[in-house]
Amino acid sequence: GENVEQHPSTLSVQEGDSAVIKCTYSDSASNYFPWYKQELGKRPQLIIDIRSNVGEKKDQRIAVTLNKTAKHFSLHITETQPEDSAVYFCAASNNNNDMRFGAGTRLTVKP
Amino acid sequence: NAGVTQTPKFRILKIGQSMTLQCAQDMNHNYMYWYRQDPGMGLKLIYYSVGAGITDKGEVPNGYNVSRSTTEDFPLRLELAAPSQTSVYFCASSFQGAENTIYFGEGSWLTVV
Repeated sequence: GENVEQHPSTLSVQEGDSAVIKCTYSDSASNYFPWYKQELGKRPQLIIDIRSNVGEKKDQRIAVTLNKTAKHFSLHITETQPEDSAVYFCAASNNNNDMRFGAGTRLTVKP
Repeated sequence: NAGVTQTPKFRILKIGQSMTLQCAQDMNHNYMYWYRQDPGMGLKLIYYSVGAGITDKGEVPNGYNVSRSTTEDFPLRLELAAPSQTSVYFCASSFQGAENTIYFGEGSWLTVV
C-alpha cells in the first residue's frame, strides 16, 4: 500500500519567515495530495490540495508543489504568522478510498 | 449543517469492555471513514464505507467493527477494549471518495485502562 513520509517533524520559524514542509509517497498511482492543518485539540481541516495533473497551486500565503517523477510534494507558507502555528499533515490517495497520512509536522511561529 | 458529529467526546474504558462510538453526518455524503490518531502521529484509516450497506477495511481494522445501515450514520464498535486502542478517533465524510475534501468530526478521546 501507499506509504507517506513527512519531514521535518518539528519546525520553528520567526514570524514573517517562510516555512516549507516536504512529503514523499511510494505509490506512483497516487493522484490526489491534500494538506491538513490541525490546531491543538481540534479536528484536521483541509487547507490546500493538488492533483497529479497540476505541478503547483497557490492560495494567498500557501502554496503546494508536486513532483510526480520524484514522488514528492511540498507545502510552502510565506510571511508566517503566529496563528499558522499548528500541526500540518500531508496525505496521498490513489482512488482506492484509503488515504494515507504523513506523521505530521509541528510548526511553531515565534512572534 | 452540523457537519460530522461524533459522540462521546471523552471516554475511559476498562480492558475487555465494549463500546460504540457514534458518528453522524448531515451533508448527504456517500463516503464515511473512521481514523485513529495516536499521540504525535498521523491518522490511520480503520474502516470506511462508500454507501449504506457497504463497508471495507482500512489500514488498521483489527479490534473494530462498523456498520452502515443509513447514509447518515457510521458507528464504530470496540468489542474487547485493549490498552493499544487508547487513541483519538475521528469520524469523517466526503462527497465522492478520498479524492474530495474530507470533513472530520471533532474527535473522540478514548482511554483504555
